[in-house]
Amino acid sequence: AQKVTQAQTEISVVEKEDVTLDCVYETRDTTYYLFWYKQPPSGELVFLIRRNSFDEQNEISGRYSWNFQKSTSSFNFTITASQVVDSAVYFCALSEASQGAQKLVFGQGTRLTINP
Amino acid sequence: ETGVTQTPRHLVMGMTNKKSLKCEQHLGHNAMYWYKQSAKKPLELMFVYNFKEQTENNSVPSRFSPECPNSSHLFLHLHTLQPEDSALYLCASSQGAGVRIANEQFFGPGTRLTVL
Repeated sequence: AQKVTQAQTEISVVEKEDVTLDCVYETRDTTYYLFWYKQPPSGELVFLIRRNSFDEQNEISGRYSWNFQKSTSSFNFTITASQVVDSAVYFCALSEASQGAQKLVFGQGTRLTINP
Repeated sequence: ETGVTQTPRHLVMGMTNKKSLKCEQHLGHNAMYWYKQSAKKPLELMFVYNFKEQTENNSVPSRFSPECPNSSHLFLHLHTLQPEDSALYLCASSQGAGVRIANEQFFGPGTRLTVL
């Protein structure tokens, strides 16, 4: 069975600090996909990134970066120079490859609070 | 806006009421999903539809009845709910690729349901 663990329930930092959100996953599939979503107070989940299991290159998008390490089954997310607008709940998710619809398995989420 | 709309945004109902949640996607996707998000559990997948056909029912009680008349619309019919069904119900859509990959899902803002 697939499983995603986000051990950090809540994180609180001061603005401009760097913060890393951890994500550890379990799967028996050799082909799978990992995702990060952001859920601001409005409730809507916002897609941030998708990574497939064959692409272990780290990715950087502005202040966001992702570190995928297959050896430790981790897909961590770092926000550099955090801002108050980054405050949200962040979810890591896992999906097997499929020709049709997919079943996303979510972690419990990490509530990130950026204090001014 | 992600291109997925949900109505109503808030719903309060008694245990004997019958109500329906509506989801519409304007993205041309062929797969649609219902998720439940409660305070005590991570995001739970409820139902999956691919090209209007239900492909997943994640052991959801029969008091929740989904309907997918076409690839753009998804309903969740509710009857004789319990107070523990109070949660945020999220709809999502994605594009099947015809090959074994996993495309990202786009989420609506959710319906906040309270069962009295």
